Amino acid sequence: GAGVSQSPSNKVTEKGKDVELRCDPISGHTALYWYRQSLGQGLEFLIYFQGNSAPDKSGLPSDRFSAERTGGSVSTLTIQRTQQEDSAVYLCASSLKYRVVDTQYFGPGTRLTVL
Amino acid sequence: GDSVTQMEGPVTLSEEAFLTINCTYTATGYPSLFWYVQYPGEGLQLLLKATKADDKGSNKGFEATYRKETTSFHLEKGSVQVSDSAVYFCALTIGNTPLVFGKGTRLSVIA
Repeated sequence: GAGVSQSPSNKVTEKGKDVELRCDPISGHTALYWYRQSLGQGLEFLIYFQGNSAPDKSGLPSDRFSAERTGGSVSTLTIQRTQQEDSAVYLCASSLKYRVVDTQYFGPGTRLTVL
Repeated sequence: GDSVTQMEGPVTLSEEAFLTINCTYTATGYPSLFWYVQYPGEGLQLLLKATKADDKGSNKGFEATYRKETTSFHLEKGSVQVSDSAVYFCALTIGNTPLVFGKGTRLSVIA
């Protein structure tokens, strides 16, 4: 079946602008994760959604970052007032989360460049 | 907190050479361990995993054994190919918590 999809694949924006990144998880997957991959920091967790539970936001680097997940499926990561240090590849992953341990499947990522 | 340490790269090998990429972890519980691979221009793909001590994960000729006594999950392949050139990430999770990744090891295989 279809994998995790993300859009846009590339986004170039000016410092100070807001951006929205979208993630479509694998159908039926109840857990959804956002990560960030940057040269200096490697792969970092940002936020985690599990079903209807309150999201785990412990990885968000500042209050400029927020995310929502509508209808338990599609998720949008919003970055307000972007800064140059926000430039990175933003990765989304999903997993079934009905077994004790389940594999996280990753999307292709959105490359964000803040000028 | 939980952490993963993997050998720094880049690693450059000739085709058919033996590969080892070391990975050790620190975790408060009983983690599951993963190796993900990122080929040039592509997203992260699961390479193999192990969910309990002494489990061996294997895929595409790669293997890794979950060693609880040494808190390690080293990745090995007996004979690498040019097509194995990629960045390899070791990672752990406890339950389905977000993955904790190592910094990645870039492998280049030359013909």
